[in-house]
Amino acid sequence: SQQGEEDPQALSIQEGENATMNCSYKTSINNLQWYRQNSGRGLVHLILIRSNEREKHSGRLRVTLDTSKKSSSLLITASRAADTASYFCATSNAGKSTFGDGTTLTVKP
Amino acid sequence: EAQVTQNPRYLITVTGKKLTVTCSQNMNHEYMSWYRQDPGLGLRQIYYSMNVEVTDKGDVPEGYKVSRKEKRNFPLILESPSPNQTSLYFCASSLSGEQFFGPGTRLTVL
Repeated sequence: SQQGEEDPQALSIQEGENATMNCSYKTSINNLQWYRQNSGRGLVHLILIRSNEREKHSGRLRVTLDTSKKSSSLLITASRAADTASYFCATSNAGKSTFGDGTTLTVKP
Repeated sequence: EAQVTQNPRYLITVTGKKLTVTCSQNMNHEYMSWYRQDPGLGLRQIYYSMNVEVTDKGDVPEGYKVSRKEKRNFPLILESPSPNQTSLYFCASSLSGEQFFGPGTRLTVL
């Protein structure tokens, strides 16, 4: 299976609620990134966390990284309808990038 | 405006007819990469380039070629396209880990 697997595959919440997505990977990494993709469009970078970091914040986004468990989580707080999209984690090591299959988030108004 | 551009955005072709998808970035990034995305899946890396004249295979390089003669351009070449190469293709560039993506090229091989 792919390095970088998101969980859950799909998530549906109400506006204002928090959304948590998880990512697991298999091999050592230099960094882990989270991206958002609106249907059929290009990916937009959200946040990058390096292997020596444990937590990072950017606006309503909070990312954690646990290298001992080879896992990361993305938390979106106070979600909005505009957050509806697919979210992907990606790991990078010496140029090779591996993306997970993504979590499809639906935020209902 | 800092961006990654791809051309064409849409292409319908026939099996065996050689094609090139161009990718260009104006951010002076050393790293560039090509991915394909199939329905319901994440991106799979085809080839990447750490700098001019340096290219390496990703996870799914079969049936593709690339070149990196200059920093800004990283074309993807399909010498003899087949129907299993029907996909959505993305080019990306990066300076320090964060990747900037082009808008995608939707390729259909009949």
